Amino acid sequence: KNEVEQSPQNLTAQEGEFITINCSYSVGISALHWLQQHPGGGIVSLFMLSSGKKKHGRLIATINIQEKHSSLHITASHPRDSAVYICAARSQGNLIFGKGTKLSVKP
Amino acid sequence: GAVVSQHPSRVICKSGTSVKIECRSLDFQATTMFWYRQFPKQSLMLMATSNEGSKATYEQGVEKDKFLINHASLTLSTLTVTSAHPEDSSFYICSASDPVGVRGLKSPLHFGNGTRLTVT
Repeated sequence: KNEVEQSPQNLTAQEGEFITINCSYSVGISALHWLQQHPGGGIVSLFMLSSGKKKHGRLIATINIQEKHSSLHITASHPRDSAVYICAARSQGNLIFGKGTKLSVKP
Repeated sequence: GAVVSQHPSRVICKSGTSVKIECRSLDFQATTMFWYRQFPKQSLMLMATSNEGSKATYEQGVEKDKFLINHASLTLSTLTVTSAHPEDSSFYICSASDPVGVRGLKSPLHFGNGTRLTVT
């Protein structure tokens, strides 16, 4: 079992839909990152969380430390949100990556 | 603008040659940089941690003599793939931490745009 598990692996949505991507981890963490990888490969860091909730535009990230679970939400999704979303747990100085969720938003 | 610059973005080389990839932090000092490799449809895998002024720390299974890392300054780390083989073809990406949070950046993890290496 991977230490960081993401679901779903693939997600197709219609423009405007509310999207949730989940991340569960089994290790103790000091922080959890949500990353966005564009089709060309470039990676953008969206959030770094250690507790609670953060919001940036249409993106919301939450984390429940007790349940070892984090979610990334996208409101009013748009085709430009199509990308691979990766969660990464920072544990003992190392980053452990999930396998990513490939999101495709159709117009 | 990008805070970590990686060059080149794409490289095609012949088997047996060496390829150097550069990773630069543009407006902050990165005492630590990380090198990752990503195969198609796979997750990022950490190859090594590059520390300025000292030897890199390699992950298990990564050959340090094949993947040479040099972090000679606080803004530049290089990864050299020596005697490249077709199985080294992959997407290589670096990241750097900015723990001080220059320019008020809220996330201290910055990635380069990656280098797609194809060995023929």
